[in-house]
Amino acid sequence: DGGITQSPKYLFRKEGQNVTLSCEQNLNHDAMYWYRQDPGQGLRLIYYSQIVNDFQKGDIAEGYSVSREKKESFPLTVTSAQKNPTAFYLCASRFNIPGASQYSNQPQHFGDGTRLSIL
Amino acid sequence: ILNVEQSPQSLHVQEGDSTNFTCSFPSSNFYALHWYRWETAKSPEALFVMTLNGDEKKKGRISATLNTKEGYSYLYIKGSQPEDSATYLCAFRDSSASKIIFGSGTRLSIRP
Repeated sequence: DGGITQSPKYLFRKEGQNVTLSCEQNLNHDAMYWYRQDPGQGLRLIYYSQIVNDFQKGDIAEGYSVSREKKESFPLTVTSAQKNPTAFYLCASRFNIPGASQYSNQPQHFGDGTRLSIL
Repeated sequence: ILNVEQSPQSLHVQEGDSTNFTCSFPSSNFYALHWYRWETAKSPEALFVMTLNGDEKKKGRISATLNTKEGYSYLYIKGSQPEDSATYLCAFRDSSASKIIFGSGTRLSIRP
């Protein structure tokens, strides 16, 4: 079955430590996204990537880094510079083919999320 | 930063009653509005993609309308059932079409 896989489901980070959240999709989607959710708030965009080897900062990129070396994979690293990393992290993907109108408004598909906590 | 507002934040409805809630978004540079349903312990699932002013979409007992000129969309649920309990998210895409901005959601609980 096609889908998006996030791992791990739960992650604990020590102070001063970098951790990497995995996001893999086998939907052949071009664009991938990372969101953060805090209690009582909506999904806030951290980073997004529309094609391989390219990515852009979202609204809350500070303290995070990403890479997009393969179409299927968009890992998110939460660095020690992120002072408040405890949150629920969601990865999403969608088709994004410029000029292909049938794909221009496809919705996002989401993973099941990773909950990150500080020890 | 583009602002997308959803109201109410939470809603408790008796089983069998109908209900509706609102998503407000910028009325300029509109490209599309998406509605998602997010059930507990699951990932968000797309309900509707709305692009044209006056659009009305329907899926079973759930329907949505769109007014791009005034910047709002309504989601309606007719005859609420326990399985409708979820958080309903709307997401706005502006004309640059690269960023998608989510509202904070409406958490719907259905009382049996």
